[in-house]
Amino acid sequence: DAKTTQPTSMDCAEGRAANLPCNHSTISGNEYVYWYRQIHSQGPQYIIHGLKNNETNEMASLIITEDRKSSTLILPHATLRDTAVYYCIAHFVFGPGTRLSVLP
Amino acid sequence: DTAVSQTPKYLVTQMGNDKSIKCEQNLGHDTMYWYKQDSKKFLKIMFSYNNKELIINETVPNRFSPKSPDKAHLNLHINSLELGDSAVYFCASSPQGTSGNTIYFGEGSWLTVV
Repeated sequence: DAKTTQPTSMDCAEGRAANLPCNHSTISGNEYVYWYRQIHSQGPQYIIHGLKNNETNEMASLIITEDRKSSTLILPHATLRDTAVYYCIAHFVFGPGTRLSVLP
Repeated sequence: DTAVSQTPKYLVTQMGNDKSIKCEQNLGHDTMYWYKQDSKKFLKIMFSYNNKELIINETVPNRFSPKSPDKAHLNLHINSLELGDSAVYFCASSPQGTSGNTIYFGEGSWLTVV
């Protein structure tokens, strides 16, 4: 199973873009990269996923490097409600994630 | 309409008891999961069922037994509860298999063993 590594925590100013990196150097060619977030101890919430191409939806953008060894989740205009733990996963295995704090 | 629902949401019980957590999904998904999130907040997969068949069984004590009466339900039975079983248990489902599909989570069941 592919493993992912993320920074433990990050801060972002409200209204600014939050860029959350993820390394997944062992990902296989047909494995998607998924991003979820967990606010407090609610159930994890799906954000976005991708295979090779960059993706964008109403919540975020996902930039995947050409070699697929890393990706970046972009929240274009972070709000206080985006404060959460963000998980980058491949397959179904969750790592410890990045705790994003959006500061006023 | 709740997509993945689990009951009870909160459960406080004594050591040694046997308890169950129920999970139902109305998404028509083929695959269901149980995850455990302990006090350190790590989400760990415990089990996965695809069309009522067990496909993932991580290193979990055999006091934990999942049961899937049909593909819309995956219940978790825990025998002889121990203090270390205290955690939040999340049920989840995905359309099919365990790769290339979005996983939808329930809101969690908070188990406290005293």
